[in-house]
Amino acid sequence: ESVLTQSPGTLSLSPGDTATLSCRASQSVNTNYFAWYQQKPGQAPRLLIYGVSSRATGIPDRFSGSGSGTDFTLTIRRLEPEDFAVYYCQRYSGSVWTFGQGTKVEN
Amino acid sequence: QVHLVQSGAEMRKPGASVKLSCKASGYTFLGYNMHWVRQAPGQGPEWMGWINLNSGGTKYAQKFEGRVTMTTDTSINTVYMELKSLKSDDTAVYFCAREGSGDYDSSFDYWGQGTLVAVSS
Repeated sequence: ESVLTQSPGTLSLSPGDTATLSCRASQSVNTNYFAWYQQKPGQAPRLLIYGVSSRATGIPDRFSGSGSGTDFTLTIRRLEPEDFAVYYCQRYSGSVWTFGQGTKVEN
Repeated sequence: QVHLVQSGAEMRKPGASVKLSCKASGYTFLGYNMHWVRQAPGQGPEWMGWINLNSGGTKYAQKFEGRVTMTTDTSINTVYMELKSLKSDDTAVYFCAREGSGDYDSSFDYWGQGTLVAVSS
C-alpha cells in the first residue's frame, strides 16, 4: 500500500514568509494524479493544486506545486493571514486514493 | 454553483449501523463520480471509496470492504453511504467529495460540509 509522508509536521512562520511543504510517496506517482488541499478548522478540505502543479479555480498564484516521481512540494509565497491552516497531499494510484497526514502552517 | 449538502450529525452505539446522505446540486449529477472520505479527530483524511453515478458501480478501500455500502438515488441527486458494525474508532467526520473531470480527474474539487458520526456506548 502506497504511503504519503508529509514534512515537517508543523511549520511556524509569519505573514509575508515563504512556506515550503514536502510530501514523499513510498511509490512513484503518475504526475497526473497528485493534489494538494488546504483545511481550516471545522471546514472541509479545499482543493488547491491538481496534476502536481495546476492551480484549482480561484486559487491565488502565490500557491504553487512541483515535483515528480516520489517527491512533491507545495510552496506558498508571501503568506497571508488566511493561509495559516493544515495542508494535505493526495495521490491516486491503482484505484486507491491516499492522503498524507498533513502539515500545519502556524503563525 | 456546485453544492454538496450532507445529512446531520449521528450518534450510534458500537455494533450499530449508520446511513449518511449527500445531496448534490448545481451541476450535471451523472457527469461525475462521488467519493466518501472520513477524518478522525486530529487525523488526516482517509479515503473510503467511490461510486460511479452512471452505472452504480462501486470501489471500496480494502479497510472498509464488507462494512460499507455506497448507493445513489439519481431521481433526487443524492448519494448514500452506509457503514455497519460500527466501532468507537469509526468516530469521525464523514465527507462526500466530487471527483473532478478532465484535467481535474482523480482530485476532489467539491466537498460536502461533513457529517459527524460519534460511536460510543
